[in-house]
Amino acid sequence: DADVTQTPRNRITKTGKRIMLECSQTKGHDRMYWYRQDPGLGLRLIYYSFDVKDINKGEISDGYSVSRQAQAKFSLSLESAIPNQTALYFCATSDLRARAGGIATDTQYFGPGTRLTVL
Amino acid sequence: QKEVEQNSGPLSVPEGAIASLNCTYSDRVSQSFFWYRQYSGKSPELIMSIYSNGDKEDGRFTAQLNKASQYVSLLIRDSQPSDSATYLCAVNQAGTALIFGKGTTLSVSS
Repeated sequence: DADVTQTPRNRITKTGKRIMLECSQTKGHDRMYWYRQDPGLGLRLIYYSFDVKDINKGEISDGYSVSRQAQAKFSLSLESAIPNQTALYFCATSDLRARAGGIATDTQYFGPGTRLTVL
Repeated sequence: QKEVEQNSGPLSVPEGAIASLNCTYSDRVSQSFFWYRQYSGKSPELIMSIYSNGDKEDGRFTAQLNKASQYVSLLIRDSQPSDSATYLCAVNQAGTALIFGKGTTLSVSS
């Protein structure tokens, strides 16, 4: 079974609808992230959470909200979807670990993505 | 504004050649450096991580880091058509979110 899962994998909706994208992980990681990806713009960070009680805005949080229901679950909501939110959305997880030499590593692992189309 | 810069490409190499992908970053205190591979429509997949100056080899892949020049590269030896993908460079400090470059598209022709 996949360590990081996203539901739904594909969604078509209409302008003004409320949409929730869900992410679950079995990796036991504390940190979770939501990104969107648009052609030519790379991965852009929407929100991130370093533990259940910690939520942080990323580069492009306007129009989005999140909920960290548990260590393993992190949901992204579009309260009123608009066409320019059409994109590929990725959830990622990571676990901060100490390494020799005082460097901490924080490798991110990605879910399979959700393709969202807003008409 | 912390930035990670990559040439968008496409970088075209023949099968069996060495592909060289480059990345520069603006934040001097960055500590961790990653290369991800992403096939079209798929999620990014971690290829290499590097934390210290110098080279790190893993199979056909070699990551090179030069913190003084704020430069990290990925070499792919004996390139195969299956290596055709977009390669994302990412950096961070301890405890902060990763910053990604926009990626370089690699095309390996048979």
